[in-house]
Amino acid sequence: KQEVTQIPAALSVPEGENLVLNCSFTDSAIYNLQWFRQDPGKGLTSLLLIQSSQREQTSGRLNASLDKSSGRSTLYIAASQPGDSATYLCAVRTTSGSRLTFGEGTQLTVNP
Amino acid sequence: GAGVSQSPRYKVAKRGQDVALRCDPISGHVSLFWYQQALGQGPEFLTYFQNEAQLDKSGLPSDRFFAERPEGSVSTLKIQRTQQEDSAVYLCASSLVWGARTEAFFGQGTRLTVV
Repeated sequence: KQEVTQIPAALSVPEGENLVLNCSFTDSAIYNLQWFRQDPGKGLTSLLLIQSSQREQTSGRLNASLDKSSGRSTLYIAASQPGDSATYLCAVRTTSGSRLTFGEGTQLTVNP
Repeated sequence: GAGVSQSPRYKVAKRGQDVALRCDPISGHVSLFWYQQALGQGPEFLTYFQNEAQLDKSGLPSDRFFAERPEGSVSTLKIQRTQQEDSAVYLCASSLVWGARTEAFFGQGTRLTVV
């Protein structure tokens, strides 16, 4: 059974800092890994999707990397802004099924 | 519409009542998913449809939970005889197809509170 862990559970940083969120998964037989953002009381917004054959994806100030063999992904946020404050979730789809398996998320607060 | 739409946004049910939650996926999206998100947790998979076919319902927690998508577009998640542990946010997601390159797009969810 796939298990996904995110560290840290919460993070508070001053505006302008570069930061890294971590995601680890137990089953390396994956199709892809997706990073989402969730604002309070809202649904999930897709940020980046990395296919199993890829090592990284970039979108603006966001960069996500994938090391499938070690079961790890990182989300790098450059020059953080207060508007980046949200919960960040990673989700993995394994080759054996249709579901996404989510971590519990990292709650990020960027202070002005 | 432009995104996945869910209704109602909020639902309060008395214990024992039946509830029905609606999901309108993005037009043309073949794949549709339901997830349950408890407070402070990540979403947990409930069920998956490809068009009108329910291909995976292994995440449904009990036989009180039932989902349908009769015409391959709108889906309804029904919970019978609600219990307090059913209180959660129910998220619907859709995808054009469900392949290695395709993203899942989520709705804003329905927050169910059972009192």
